[in-house]
Amino acid sequence: DARVTQTPRDKVTEMGQEVTMRCQPILGHNTVFWYRQTMMQGLELLAYFRNRAPLDDSGMPKDRFSAEMPDATLATLKIQPSEPRDSAVYFCASGVRLAGAPYNEQFFGPGTRLTVL
Amino acid sequence: TQLLEQSPQFLSIQEGENLTVYCNSSSVFSSLQWYRQEPGEGPVLLVTVVTGGEVKKLKRLTFQFGDARKDSSLHITAAQPGDTGLYLCSPRGANSKLTFGKGITLSVRP
Repeated sequence: DARVTQTPRDKVTEMGQEVTMRCQPILGHNTVFWYRQTMMQGLELLAYFRNRAPLDDSGMPKDRFSAEMPDATLATLKIQPSEPRDSAVYFCASGVRLAGAPYNEQFFGPGTRLTVL
Repeated sequence: TQLLEQSPQFLSIQEGENLTVYCNSSSVFSSLQWYRQEPGEGPVLLVTVVTGGEVKKLKRLTFQFGDARKDSSLHITAAQPGDTGLYLCSPRGANSKLTFGKGITLSVRP
């Protein structure tokens, strides 16, 4: 049963600390998405990659957030320095665009719940 | 910027009741997806609709894409406690950014 995995599942940190979240996409999926979910804003797209290249990171605060795919089996989202307003659940999703389809099939991981004190 | 609205925001019903929820926008979409999210988990794709007027059924769930491809509805027949969750719609346009609605929180009481 192929699944997207994310680590850690929960992270509590203090303001100013660096936070790194990791995601292992489903093997064979060529698109990886990072989302942030809060009660106020809902689910927001931060960035996404296709074939490990960043395609859109316009949803991400550039001064403190960075997203990378060091290899096809690992995507990372880093916040440095973290702030209380970054508290949210961060989801990674991986997907594949079927031939001829105008959309991706996205499969979400379980999320990382981040609390910045 | 497209406006995307899901309604109602919250819905609490008794097991066995029927319900319909909506996803509306000012823009035309090439496709639209519905997801369900349970507490502590990520969203799970339920269906993708592509053609205006299209109707898709998934057991007790019926999804419809509006004729003008600006809106969609989800109808649940004889709701069960297992249907409880957050229902998110996510439309796709030719040049639009990937977006999700704020979602509809459904609670089905036994």
